[in-house]
Amino acid sequence: DGGITQSPKYLFRKEGQNVTLSCEQNLNHDAMYWYRQDPGQGLRLIYYSQIVNDFQKGDIAEGYSVSREKKESFPLTVTSAQKNPTAFYLCASSEVRLYGYTFGSGTRLTVV
Amino acid sequence: QKEVEQDPGPLSVPEGAIVSLNCTYSNSAFQYFMWYRQYSRKGPELLMYTYSSGNKEDGRFTAQVDKSSKYISLFIRDSQPSDSATYLCAMNRDDKIIFGKGTRLHILP
Repeated sequence: DGGITQSPKYLFRKEGQNVTLSCEQNLNHDAMYWYRQDPGQGLRLIYYSQIVNDFQKGDIAEGYSVSREKKESFPLTVTSAQKNPTAFYLCASSEVRLYGYTFGSGTRLTVV
Repeated sequence: QKEVEQDPGPLSVPEGAIVSLNCTYSNSAFQYFMWYRQYSRKGPELLMYTYSSGNKEDGRFTAQVDKSSKYISLFIRDSQPSDSATYLCAMNRDDKIIFGKGTRLHILP
C-alpha cells in the first residue's frame, strides 16, 4: 500500500539534545512538507521541499533543519536551539501541482 | 485579518443530525478548497477537494464553496459517532496549502 511512514510514533528527548524524526513516502510524490501542530494553533509549516536536494523554510523554521537527499525521504532534525519543541509533528507529501496532501500518522515529541 | 478563519468549537450534535462546518477566507486568489478530517493522535486525511464555486457531494458529505462571499462549508448528513473528529478546512496559496485551525466535532449517541 502506498503511503507515508513516520517514525517513531512517540519520542522523548532531554533538553539540549538534537533529535531526528523520520518521514518516508512511497507515493512517488515530488513535494514533501513538515508541519507542527499545537493545541489551539492549528498546523504550522516548518520546512518544505519540492525537489530532491532543495528545500525552503516555512513559517517557523528556526531551531529545525531538514535534508532531501532522496525523493522518498525527508527527515526533520529538532535542534537544541528550538525553544519549545514539545509538539505533534506531521509529515506530508503531494504532487507538485497540489491536489491535496497525504499525511503521515505523526510523531509526538516530548522534551523531558 | 487572518487568511483563513475557522471556529474551533467544540461542536456537539446528536446522532443523525445534519452538521454544518464553515470557514471564511480573505485572499481571493485561493483556487482550490479542501476539507480534512483528523482523528485524535492521527494525521489529517483528505475528505473533499473542490476548485469551483458550488456544491460537491460524496456520500453523506457535501462541500460548498461561495467565492463571492469567500466562504466554504462542509455538511455532514445523518451524522454518526464515528464522525467525531477535528475537521480542518484548507486552501492553496502559491505552492503551499493554508489550513484553518480546525473545528472539533462531537456526535452524541
